[in-house]
Amino acid sequence: GAGVSQSPSNKVTEKGKDVELRCDPISGHTALYWYRQSLGQGLEFLIYFQGNSAPDKSGLPSDRFSAERTGGSVSTLTIQRTQQEDSAVYLCASSFRRDSPYEQYFGPGTRLTVT
Amino acid sequence: AQTVTQSQPEMSVQEAETVTLSCTYDTSESDYYLFWYKQPPSRQMILVIRQEAYKQQNATENRFSVNFQKAAKSFSLKISDSQLGDAAMYFCAYRTMLYNNNDMRFGAGTRLTVKP
Repeated sequence: GAGVSQSPSNKVTEKGKDVELRCDPISGHTALYWYRQSLGQGLEFLIYFQGNSAPDKSGLPSDRFSAERTGGSVSTLTIQRTQQEDSAVYLCASSFRRDSPYEQYFGPGTRLTVT
Repeated sequence: AQTVTQSQPEMSVQEAETVTLSCTYDTSESDYYLFWYKQPPSRQMILVIRQEAYKQQNATENRFSVNFQKAAKSFSLKISDSQLGDAAMYFCAYRTMLYNNNDMRFGAGTRLTVKP
C-alpha cells in the first residue's frame, strides 16, 4: 500500500518568500506529525494533528510557521518570510492512533534551501 | 524535559562483523517507549526496533537487537552480520507513554559506514 508522501522533494526559495510543503499521510492514519531535521542534527518536533482535535503546536519555532490539516488527511506546512536558518529537511509522519506505541511512518521529506 | 544523547557521530564496521551503537537518555518517567530508526540516503526514516520500558526482555528483530539498561538509562543497538545495506544514519528516539504528550525526542544520530 501507499506510504506517506511529501511534495515537493526539494525546494529552493529566496529569503523572504513564503513556502508551502505538503504531506499525504497513510490512509486511515488519524495522527500526523511534522518534524524539522537540520544538517547533521536529529529531528525536531514541530506540530501534531490528531483527528479533529486542536493541533499541538508546541514545537513551532516562530509565528512564521503554521500548518493545516484539511479533512483529517492532507497537511500543509507553511513558512512565511523564510530565513536562511529555515533551511532543513522537513519530515512528515503519520500513525494510527489506536496502535500502541503509535508507531510513526515517515515520508521521504522535503529539503528546503533558503538562499 | 527528556533528552536523548548519541555520543558517536560516526561508526564504521566491516561487512559481516558486529557493531554496537550507543544511546543514553534522561527522563524522570517510569513508562516510555524507545526506538531506533534508520535513515538511508533516501531520507526515508525506517523503524528498526522498539522497546517498551516496562518490558525487561531486550527486543530483537532478526540481526538487530538492543541492550536496554533501564537503571542506567541506556539503550544501545547491536547490528550483527553487518551488510552493505545497513549503511545509514541511525537515530535513537524516546516517546513518553503519557496520553496527551505527542513529542518524540530524537538523538543527533550516528552515521554508520559498512566497509566491504
